[in-house]
Amino acid sequence: EAGVAQSPRYKIIEKRQSVAFWCNPISGHATLYWYQQILGQGPKLLIQFQNNGVVDDSQLPKDRFSAERLKGVDSTLKIQPAKLEDSAVYLCASSLGLDQKQYFGPGTRLTVT
Amino acid sequence: AQSVAQPEDQVNVAEGNPLTVKCTYSVSGNPYLFWYVQYPNRGLQFLLKYITGDNLVKGSYGFEAEFNKSQTSFHLKKPSALVSDSALYFCAVRDMDTGRRALTFGSGTRLQVQP
Repeated sequence: EAGVAQSPRYKIIEKRQSVAFWCNPISGHATLYWYQQILGQGPKLLIQFQNNGVVDDSQLPKDRFSAERLKGVDSTLKIQPAKLEDSAVYLCASSLGLDQKQYFGPGTRLTVT
Repeated sequence: AQSVAQPEDQVNVAEGNPLTVKCTYSVSGNPYLFWYVQYPNRGLQFLLKYITGDNLVKGSYGFEAEFNKSQTSFHLKKPSALVSDSALYFCAVRDMDTGRRALTFGSGTRLQVQP
């Protein structure tokens, strides 16, 4: 079975620029997650979708981060404008449902200079 | 609020010896608990989970974890370590009773298994 796909794998931008990440979950998975993993820390949930509805976005910095999951399949995460502290790996994961095991993509490593 | 602590940044063990990676949690209600592993240059992978039932949970690659409600712990164990077990291990928790539907991950423990 195909895994969770993410692109790009690496991105370098200057502060105040914008960036977008794309995620394609495993087919049939209703729940999609975006995490931010800063070096030396565990993943921190940014936003969780159930189909195309938002379940949890309590830790999403909404003044600069946005995410959507149109049609309940693919998802994009956008940062505008980026700050230095946004440098991290952005992980996408999907699962069949809540509390089911999550399948993680390879991540996008973002460097903000 | 839900939280999880992994008190050891790194655990070193010799191949063939038993290993334990510690995790303690804090929730208001009852916990859902998970272990994930991150191998070098690979994505996070699910190892095992505890929701209800038997306190000893068996997972992938010979790993198991013991849920201890009185000590609020969920330590990961393996009877005989392999060099290939060397990786970064994350514990995660969700409070079943507060309504928050997201996992909180710990900061991770690096396991080094020496040949």
